[in-house]
Amino acid sequence: DQQVKQNSPSLSVQEGRISILNCDYTNSMFDYFLWYKKYPAEGPTFLISISSIKDKNEDGRFTVFLNKSAKHLSLHIVPSQPGDSAVYFCAASRGGSNYKLTFGKGTLLTVNP
Amino acid sequence: DSGVTQTPKHLITATGQRVTLRCSPRSGDLSVYWYQQSLDQGLQFLIQYYNGEERAKGNILERFSAQQFPDLHSELNLSSLELGDSALYFCASSVGPGAGEEDTQYFGPGTRLTVL
Repeated sequence: DQQVKQNSPSLSVQEGRISILNCDYTNSMFDYFLWYKKYPAEGPTFLISISSIKDKNEDGRFTVFLNKSAKHLSLHIVPSQPGDSAVYFCAASRGGSNYKLTFGKGTLLTVNP
Repeated sequence: DSGVTQTPKHLITATGQRVTLRCSPRSGDLSVYWYQQSLDQGLQFLIQYYNGEERAKGNILERFSAQQFPDLHSELNLSSLELGDSALYFCASSVGPGAGEEDTQYFGPGTRLTVL
């Protein structure tokens, strides 16, 4: 039973455009959500997070939006750069904690020059 | 470079064998987490140790065990290996027990295990 779903295995966008990565979750107990980025042959790197008390969190070019009623979150990257090409994982946890993270399968983002 | 080191990078072994994966956390981090990423799967949380004690358990098989030593490095032991155990195994570390949003996990580069 997959509690965190990233339904798009891949996404391709042009440099300078917006990239939108989506994530859905089924467990209503999740209240803390994170995005990790992973380059080949490296471990995942924390990118941005959001607590369920917020609906938006912004950090530079990266913004995460949370729609609790739809159990959906999205990561917006504006403008997209070729260096953003990586696998993006969505993760969730309970109790505002940062352990026992449940990850999605990831979305491969390719930003074309 | 996250500061988390994992050895070996690659491991090839046969079914039925036993292997040990090693992880050294970032300097100052007290928590170590282990994850498994099988083909076409997300990262599956296995187990967490905090300052030498088991803190949280995920979907870890009984054939798998882990420990954290006084110098805070950790080892994940996989025994009676099966073909399905072939995966990337990641270790992560964090400063505290992971109770708060600020306690970010930093991941190592992973160990790729191939069971033939």
